[in-house]
Amino acid sequence: NAGVTQTPKFRVLKTGQSMTLLCAQDMNHEYMYWYRQDPGMGLRLIHYSVGEGTTAKGEVPDGYNVSRLKKQNFLLGLESAAPSQTSVYFCASSYPFGTGPSGEQYFGPGTRLTVT
Amino acid sequence: GNSVTQMEGPVTLSEEAFLTINCTYTATGYPSLFWYVQYPGEGLQLLLKATKADDKGSNKGFEATYRKETTSFHLEKGSVQVSDSAVYFCALSQAAGNKLTFGGGTRVLVKP
Repeated sequence: NAGVTQTPKFRVLKTGQSMTLLCAQDMNHEYMYWYRQDPGMGLRLIHYSVGEGTTAKGEVPDGYNVSRLKKQNFLLGLESAAPSQTSVYFCASSYPFGTGPSGEQYFGPGTRLTVT
Repeated sequence: GNSVTQMEGPVTLSEEAFLTINCTYTATGYPSLFWYVQYPGEGLQLLLKATKADDKGSNKGFEATYRKETTSFHLEKGSVQVSDSAVYFCALSQAAGNKLTFGGGTRVLVKP
């Protein structure tokens, strides 16, 4: 099993450009999440999904969009990148609450995005 | 809303020293509590967890006890190794969406 994979690993964008980050999991998890990690601030939830075709906003959703067309994939889009979106982005997946290990999430290796 | 506060780093230790990282939380109800570890260049991995008051989570020599009366979940290890150098995150989770709320992370550097 590959677990949670993220594509790409690194990316540099100019302000105003767009891009999509891809997350894939092979553990048949219902729930998936996108976080951003900034120095001293831990991880903050951007958007999440509790099943195929569903998405919901997290703590810092502005400037991002997501889609969950297939259960195993969760896409994070930046329509018009800004320097404030320079960060490391992590995807994670988990079982639904009440099934499997309670609350445990499985993380991908991250994507380092720089917006100039 | 929920929040997690953990001590700021970096924490620098010598090999075989005792490690404590403090973590306190604010939440309604009875959250589950976690410690995640991030090794250089990698994603987060679950280190240990506790799902109810007075539970002790343990793994790889690390321990943490869920203290509801002090809303704390401090991480301890009796004798650290160079390989324990990493960033440690305290987190909590409640039912809706299994969402995790993280502390700011504590960088630990263990020197030989």
